[in-house]
Amino acid sequence: DIPLTQSPSFLSAFVGDRVTITCRATQGINTYLAWYQLKPGKAPKLLIYGASTLQSGVPSRFSGSGSGTEFTLTISNLQPEDFATYYCLQVKSYPLTFGGGTKVEIK
Amino acid sequence: QLQLQESGPGLVKPSETLSLTCTVSGGSVSSSNYFWSWSRQPPGKGLEWIASIYYNGNTYYNPSLGSRVTISADTSKNQFSLTLSSVTAADTAVYFCARRSPILVVHYLDFWGQGTLVTVSS
Repeated sequence: DIPLTQSPSFLSAFVGDRVTITCRATQGINTYLAWYQLKPGKAPKLLIYGASTLQSGVPSRFSGSGSGTEFTLTISNLQPEDFATYYCLQVKSYPLTFGGGTKVEIK
Repeated sequence: QLQLQESGPGLVKPSETLSLTCTVSGGSVSSSNYFWSWSRQPPGKGLEWIASIYYNGNTYYNPSLGSRVTISADTSKNQFSLTLSSVTAADTAVYFCARRSPILVVHYLDFWGQGTLVTVSS
């Protein structure tokens, strides 16, 4: 297994803020990492794949970076619709593993 | 537009078998190079990948669930299914089906269903 550690698990921010979420892998996973947004009752949404490539239709205020073992998801100019829980996922090897999640709430 | 819809009983008794189906529309479970997958999220907890099935029938499972899990596909109905045997309260979760698509050489979960809550209780 390749466990992923996400931090922080919770963050509180204002609309317009810039927030950064970190995902760390216990071993190198190249750039085989994706980021997802989850909202209750809705289908999870793919935001970023390949660690840094924005999925079609995702606003450009979302960005991803990193390779190997450390990755970040940054949301610039946080919007009301961005308050949700975010997860990273590694697809380098089975079993696929998710980070523990980061809940972003309105301050 | 691809759509995935989970269906199945919302309540399962302990020790029984959980069975869920994902109906695919706007796409085909027999499309080359695609996987079809199940994941779950227990209440208040994070996501866990359960299993995937490749278009050619090859299957991949999370070892954490041991031999309790089976994933299968029915191309005639354009559906894929999950069975989880000997369930306990720990299997209570929202279950999601999803497609894994080839993007940049690897496969990512790109389209998901909305999920269905399954509660294990007597």
